[in-house]
Amino acid sequence: GENVEQHPSTLSVQEGDSAVIKCTYSDSASNYFPWYKQELGKGPQLIIDIRSNVGEKKDQRIAVTLNKTAKHFSLHITETQPEDSAVYFCAASLTGGGNKLTFGTGTQLKVEL
Amino acid sequence: DAGVIQSPRHEVTEMGQEVTLRCKPISGHNSLFWYRQTMMRGLELLIYFNNNVPIDDSGMPEDRFSAKMPNASFSTLKIQPSEPRDSAVYFCASSWAVRGDTGELFFGEGSRLTVL
Repeated sequence: GENVEQHPSTLSVQEGDSAVIKCTYSDSASNYFPWYKQELGKGPQLIIDIRSNVGEKKDQRIAVTLNKTAKHFSLHITETQPEDSAVYFCAASLTGGGNKLTFGTGTQLKVEL
Repeated sequence: DAGVIQSPRHEVTEMGQEVTLRCKPISGHNSLFWYRQTMMRGLELLIYFNNNVPIDDSGMPEDRFSAKMPNASFSTLKIQPSEPRDSAVYFCASSWAVRGDTGELFFGEGSRLTVL
């Protein structure tokens, strides 16, 4: 089955700086890569996703890049704000696999004032 | 829509007791998932249903765990008998999948289970 590794497990940045979280996956057939944000006491929420037919996707301060050859993808948050502090999870799945996502282990991001 | 609704939000029970967690998915969604979250193992998929039918239960840890989806608007996850190692936050999520196209998962707020 799919295995997703995520680094770092914790990340502390100053407000306004950029944050980068990296993930690798094992199944070369995976073609859908979402990122979820989990705030304290809540369930994860989708913030951005990318499919294997594109290499990069942006949504305001958030961007995701995908390297299918190397089987890794990254989340980039620019101009970080205190409200970005949360746990971020990457995930991978195979379209046609019934939405069966395999999640990474999570990154605790702390944005300090 | 109110989103995915889970109950109870918190459950404290003693080892050996039966625990039932409940989930109401978003109306119109055709897929439902049960995840377990712990510090050690992160988010683990336990089971998922498509059109009320269990598709993959390979993540269910053992026979003490069972899940049902009697209709499109309700699912339960039951643990009997419960053990301290079952302590975790259990999330239910739902989505709309068309011809296998992966869509956004909408998570509930979770049920925090503590087994003493």
